[in-house]
Amino acid sequence: QEKVQQSPESLIVPEGAMVSLNCSFSDSASQSIWWYQQHPGKGPKALISIFSNGNKKEGRLTVYLNRASLHVSLHIKDSQPSDSAVYLCAVSPFNTGNYKYVFGAGTRLKVIA
Amino acid sequence: DAGVTQTPRHEVAEKGQTIILKCEPVSGHNDLFWYRQTKIQGLELLSYFRSKSLMEDGGAFKDRFKAEMLNSSFSTLKIQPTEPKDSAVYLCASSPRLGGPSAETLYFGSGTRLTVL
Repeated sequence: QEKVQQSPESLIVPEGAMVSLNCSFSDSASQSIWWYQQHPGKGPKALISIFSNGNKKEGRLTVYLNRASLHVSLHIKDSQPSDSAVYLCAVSPFNTGNYKYVFGAGTRLKVIA
Repeated sequence: DAGVTQTPRHEVAEKGQTIILKCEPVSGHNDLFWYRQTKIQGLELLSYFRSKSLMEDGGAFKDRFKAEMLNSSFSTLKIQPTEPKDSAVYLCASSPRLGGPSAETLYFGSGTRLTVL
């Protein structure tokens, strides 16, 4: 059973700061890793995903995946108050027949203007 | 395009009642998921449908939880009978399943907040 651990649990940063969120998973064969953003009263919204070792950049977001260390991180550049939300790491198992995502508990981010 | 629609947004039930939550997935999506979200357990998978066929029934949630997908554009989650420990946010998500080996984006609704007294 895949296990996903996120750190830190919560984070408060000033506007404009670089934010780094961490996610560890237990199965090196896990297929894809996703980051979701969830604002209060809303469902999670997909931000960015990564499959291969290395990094991927989209706008202010950069994600780094290291399968050997079972670790993925999300970096948010120039953080804004609107980035305040819970960030969920989701891992899908290496099984193309069943997209059974496993979610971490989340990191609560607050960006102060 | 319309996203995933869930109704009602809030539901209050007495212990022992039967409640039915509703979900309309994104048009054309082939996969549909029901999740339960609590602060302690986070997101837990309840049911998973692929092209209207039930692929995952959520194991520990089988007894009192039943999800159905009567057609490709509508799903329900029935909880019978409700217990106070069922108080949580119930989220429905759909996915296009375009093909290929990579897992795909989940599109979530805003959820139904259930309170069982």
